[in-house]
Amino acid sequence: GAGVSQSPSNKVTEKGKDVELRCDPISGHTALYWYRQSLGQGLEFLIYFQGNSAPDKSGLPSDRFSAERTGGSVSTLTIQRTQQEDSAVYLCASSLGGRKGLFFGSGTQLSVL
Amino acid sequence: GQQVMQIPQYQHVQEGEDFTTYCNSSTTLSNIQWYKQRPGGHPVFLIQLVKSGEVKKQKRLTFQFGEAKKNSSLHITATQTTDVGTYFCRATNAGKSTFGDGTTLTVKP
Repeated sequence: GAGVSQSPSNKVTEKGKDVELRCDPISGHTALYWYRQSLGQGLEFLIYFQGNSAPDKSGLPSDRFSAERTGGSVSTLTIQRTQQEDSAVYLCASSLGGRKGLFFGSGTQLSVL
Repeated sequence: GQQVMQIPQYQHVQEGEDFTTYCNSSTTLSNIQWYKQRPGGHPVFLIQLVKSGEVKKQKRLTFQFGEAKKNSSLHITATQTTDVGTYFCRATNAGKSTFGDGTTLTVKP
């Protein structure tokens, strides 16, 4: 596609439920990132995939968070047993490599009730 | 670990005034990138600086990378209402990248 695509754009869930967020990066981009942004706040790094290398998971806030990237393309961020503090916009970005500019998707607004 | 400080946190200007945001690192950087996020939008990549003392221009925006590669600035000449948003720097050192907390610019027409 022309840009990074994220789905769903909005997700409302109940506390304790699991959610899956999807990211379709720009074709040919080897690097894929997940960030979290709370209202009016900065960009909190979650996880980084680069090619076939082991992902950098250093930003995942707890073991309830996990992500995978299948076939070097689509990525899914999974949050288990969601908590109210997980409410935020989850942004995915892709780039041509670790030293190139990031291109962000429009994000998924997650609301945990 | 790497620390990136971005100042100011907020800047309110009258339309037509200039604006500058600064990004300072505690370590020497391999590159620095700048992004703009409009209200309600997602960050958009503006530019990457790599060389010591590098200066790049995009219309009314001027980007500089310090001689020591520890700081950078984004300057907007004669701000317009379309410039509103939050400007983030992203600093890279030894393969690790960190976003600054951003400078939020508001422009009064």
